[in-house]
Amino acid sequence: ETGVTQTPRHLVMGMTNKKSLKCEQHLGHNAMYWYKQSAKKPLELMFVYNFKEQTENNSVPSRFSPECPNSSHLFLHLHTLQPEDSALYLCASSQESQQGLYEQYFGPGTRLTVT
Amino acid sequence: AQKVTQAQTEISVVEKEDVTLDCVYETRDTTYYLFWYKQPPSGELVFLIRRNSFDEQNEISGRYSWNFQKSTSSFNFTITASQVVDSAVYFCALSEGGAETSGSRLTFGEGTQLTVNP
Repeated sequence: ETGVTQTPRHLVMGMTNKKSLKCEQHLGHNAMYWYKQSAKKPLELMFVYNFKEQTENNSVPSRFSPECPNSSHLFLHLHTLQPEDSALYLCASSQESQQGLYEQYFGPGTRLTVT
Repeated sequence: AQKVTQAQTEISVVEKEDVTLDCVYETRDTTYYLFWYKQPPSGELVFLIRRNSFDEQNEISGRYSWNFQKSTSSFNFTITASQVVDSAVYFCALSEGGAETSGSRLTFGEGTQLTVNP
């Protein structure tokens, strides 16, 4: 596999369920990201992990819990979600260095529907 | 704070027409990066170009070209001789900062839905 992969591609869950989204990058990058894309809204950055350490949490509700066990894998654990959390969740990765910022490469996303 | 504005919500053209997508940004940093991404119906964002604030040279890649003008804080994207496969949502994005190792933070515009009709 190449690039950034995400599973599952589609997920329907009830408000009391617990589920996890998985992201894997095969690019050798050292930073990974979770974004939320809702209809009619810009992409919202949720979490940033750099060298496996969380460096940013953009005021995301605690019902979203990220985990980054190594530089290639990123998870987003979901529990007691609300219907307004229905969205496309995108994972991205990039290579960060002292030389500057580089483009982020995105996965195909997980389309989440909360019922 | 940084901000990206894509004033065109939707554009519809006929195949072979040229089309320009506008992007205006706001930032207080002197070092920043600008990006364009394409999001086809499949959902995956596809990276198109990165430009840093010190490089105002315009770029052409096949049918795509980009016009970066710091004086007007704009980074516009032109598709020449558009094709049906160009139909997608196009996002402009901005990332501030120089040499940091805390991960880049992209601020995206709201996107422009481009529809190319046969």
